[in-house]
Amino acid sequence: GENVEQHPSTLSVQEGDSAVIKCTYSDSASNYFPWYKQELGKGPQLIIDIRSNVGEKKDQRIAVTLNKTAKHFSLHITETQPEDSAVYFCAASPSSNTGKLIFGQGTTLQVKP
Amino acid sequence: SQTIHQWPATLVQPVGSPLSLECTVEGTSNPNLYWYRQAAGRGLQLLFYSVGIGQISSEVPQNLSASRPQDRQFILSSKKLLLSDSGFYLCAWSWKSESPLHFGNGTRLTVT
Repeated sequence: GENVEQHPSTLSVQEGDSAVIKCTYSDSASNYFPWYKQELGKGPQLIIDIRSNVGEKKDQRIAVTLNKTAKHFSLHITETQPEDSAVYFCAASPSSNTGKLIFGQGTTLQVKP
Repeated sequence: SQTIHQWPATLVQPVGSPLSLECTVEGTSNPNLYWYRQAAGRGLQLLFYSVGIGQISSEVPQNLSASRPQDRQFILSSKKLLLSDSGFYLCAWSWKSESPLHFGNGTRLTVT
């Protein structure tokens, strides 16, 4: 079945710097790749997603890139702020067409003021 | 707009006691529904998903079961809790395939 690997597990940056989180997936038939942000004690919230017919998508300070050939996708956060500190999860939709998502293990991002 | 409700927010239960966690979705019909578990410092593990009333698929063998008695209601149950059942349980809904999951705020379960 689908497997998603996420790196790094923890990331610490200075406020204003950029942060990059990378994920690889195993199912070449996957077509949908969302990213979630989870704050302490809350459920994950969707922040951006990308589909396989697009190589890059941007929303203000957040961007996601997808390389289908290499089966990896990345989250880029520019001009980081302390409120960006959270756990970030990547996910991929397996080819089973059930709507379920397979998640990476998460990255704890700390933005130091 | 659509909303998802999970309760309770926290729960402490002794080993061997039963469990019932409830999740309801408003503002949509015939959604896909999911139960995920998140162990401390770990990722999200899919436990069950449902594409319709009475239709439940289990992803991993375990001490838990799920039911969908109504279109927008999803229940996670156990007859006898184990210590290893402790964790953060998240309910989610989505439209059909290749669409975002929308999560509730979770239930923190501690089995003592």
